[in-house]
Amino acid sequence: AQTVTQSQPEMSVQEAETVTLSCTYDTSESDYYLFWYKQPPSRQMILVIRQEAYKQQNATENRFSVNFQKAAKSFSLKISDSQLGDAAMYFCARETSGSRLTFGEGTQLTVNP
Amino acid sequence: DTAVSQTPKYLVTQMGNDKSIKCEQNLGHDTMYWYKQDSKKFLKIMFSYNNKELIINETVPNRFSPKSPDKAHLNLHINSLELGDSAVYFCASSQDSRSVAYFGPGTRLTVT
Repeated sequence: AQTVTQSQPEMSVQEAETVTLSCTYDTSESDYYLFWYKQPPSRQMILVIRQEAYKQQNATENRFSVNFQKAAKSFSLKISDSQLGDAAMYFCARETSGSRLTFGEGTQLTVNP
Repeated sequence: DTAVSQTPKYLVTQMGNDKSIKCEQNLGHDTMYWYKQDSKKFLKIMFSYNNKELIINETVPNRFSPKSPDKAHLNLHINSLELGDSAVYFCASSQDSRSVAYFGPGTRLTVT
């Protein structure tokens, strides 16, 4: 089975500091999409960032950026200048052929004031 | 304007009952999905529809039957509810399989 693995069930960061969430995945495809979604206590799933595998440049969205290592099948999320509102469960996901997202197990991020 | 809406947001019911969850998207997307999030927060796809046609049925019991009356709606009907069906069910939509998926607010189903 093609999987997505998040090895950090929980992470914590001090407000204004930087934190990196890890994600590795398995795929036999050369062209695919990767995503990070955020799920705050409201349980709404919110897209944080998207990366297209054929693009070498790492995606960036304001304080959120990724480190995409295609050969290593690694897709980590870096949150800079962490804010209290960043506290949430973060899910890494890979688009799978056949129109679906395969999700990792999630990383619960706590932001300490 | 809500992009993807689900009703109800909470559903408490007894074992053996039949229930439905409705989903509507106003984004003009062609593809709609149902995902299940279990008690450990693991998310897994159940169904995917493209232009009202089923394209993914991810080994879901026959008690679950999705219905897409039109491109903007994808409802989920569950027969003979079991305790293990308790979960949060998310509807989502995307323009195509490689576009960003927009999720509804989720429906927390509790079976007692």
